[in-house]
Amino acid sequence: QVQLQESGPGLVKPSETLSLTCTVSGGSISSYSWSWIRQPPGKGLEWIGLISNSGSTNYNPSLKSRVTISVDTSKNHLSLRLGSVTAADTAVYYCARYQANLLLEWYWFDPWGPGTLVTVSS
Amino acid sequence: SSELTQDPAVSVALGQTVRITCQADSLRSYYASWYQQKPGQAPVVVIYGINYRPSGIPDRFSGSSSGNTSSLTITGAQAEDEADYFCISRDSSGNHVVFGGGTKLTVL
Repeated sequence: QVQLQESGPGLVKPSETLSLTCTVSGGSISSYSWSWIRQPPGKGLEWIGLISNSGSTNYNPSLKSRVTISVDTSKNHLSLRLGSVTAADTAVYYCARYQANLLLEWYWFDPWGPGTLVTVSS
Repeated sequence: SSELTQDPAVSVALGQTVRITCQADSLRSYYASWYQQKPGQAPVVVIYGINYRPSGIPDRFSGSSSGNTSSLTITGAQAEDEADYFCISRDSSGNHVVFGGGTKLTVL
């Protein structure tokens, strides 16, 4: 079964770029679509964006100007880059497989990684 | 603010039935999926599509949809069901993913 694990710096300075990696095991990353989701401490979830198995991307309009999601098929890695970060970007960041039944228009996220906390502070 | 509207908190007596709802105009066109999140853990999908439960999810969890409202029902709530529950769907354009603000379920 597919398992996900996020990794990256736990502390990022304001105005710098947050970079995270999600390692996919138990399946080929090129066979599925993937997404990044975040959760500020004590708050709800926020969708960051997704990348399809064809490589097309789709971002949250509120973050679109700062976000890049990509995959490295040779390493089975999913990546997130978020530029010009501020304290408001402090959150637990999750990667998740984005599943879809296009005929029925069903969409869901499964599985999720355990998440990684990123704090933006000087 | 979230584009899908959920009640912030709901409580249920042990063994009783509880319904958690999610509202938005986009739900007239798209199904919601439902997730359970316990403290310090990642969300886990409990319902997707019309009313599909992934393997391992107890059959006391069920989903339904009517008009602009999607619902998650727990029939015979157990202590281990105490958690935050989130709904996720598409926005009205169908182009983006949107989340509910979450409902904290307390089992009394």
